[in-house]
Amino acid sequence: KNEVEQSPQNLTAQEGEFITINCSYSVGISALHWLQQHPGGGIVSLFMLSSGKKKHGRLIATINIQEKHSSLHITASHPRDSAVYICAVHSGGGADGLTFGKGTHLIIQP
Amino acid sequence: GAGVSQSPSNKVTEKGKDVELRCDPISGHTALYWYRQRLGQGLEFLIYFQGNSAPDKSGLPSDRFSAERTGESVSTLTIQRTQQEDSAVYLCASSRHRQGAANTGELFFGEGSRLTVL
Repeated sequence: KNEVEQSPQNLTAQEGEFITINCSYSVGISALHWLQQHPGGGIVSLFMLSSGKKKHGRLIATINIQEKHSSLHITASHPRDSAVYICAVHSGGGADGLTFGKGTHLIIQP
Repeated sequence: GAGVSQSPSNKVTEKGKDVELRCDPISGHTALYWYRQRLGQGLEFLIYFQGNSAPDKSGLPSDRFSAERTGESVSTLTIQRTQQEDSAVYLCASSRHRQGAANTGELFFGEGSRLTVL
């Protein structure tokens, strides 16, 4: 079974700061998802990646398959970025093959 | 519809009652998943449907839980004789492809159905 660890668990930063959230997993994967969950809201898929780097607006996701590690970066952070960010990996095994991290609670203060 | 739709958004029920939760996936999405998220906890897989194949029910916590899906359309999750530990947000997600296939599909989540069992 894949073990997914996210760090930090909680992060409070000032508006404008560069944010990095990390995800490490124990078993090789075929894909990794970064998800965003707003308080009281549903979950939005930010990225799905299996190698390299993806960018969407102020969000950047990278993955290093050899090191079993992915990072989510937020540039020029804004209070509306405050949310829980969840890493999920697909290992190719099991029912849905998805193992979720416990999430990183991000608060951006104005 | 444009996104995954779930209903009801909130449900309060008494212990022992049955509840039914509904999920309308994105049109054309063959894969549909039900997850559960208890307060302060991570996401917990419940059941997975892929097209007309038999569903994978390995995540269902007990025989009080069941789910149905007709073809590639609406799915219902039924919880019989609800218990307080069933209180959670029940999330539905759909994707175009099956997870694990060559073309792993991006997941689209509904807003969830918050269930409170008194």
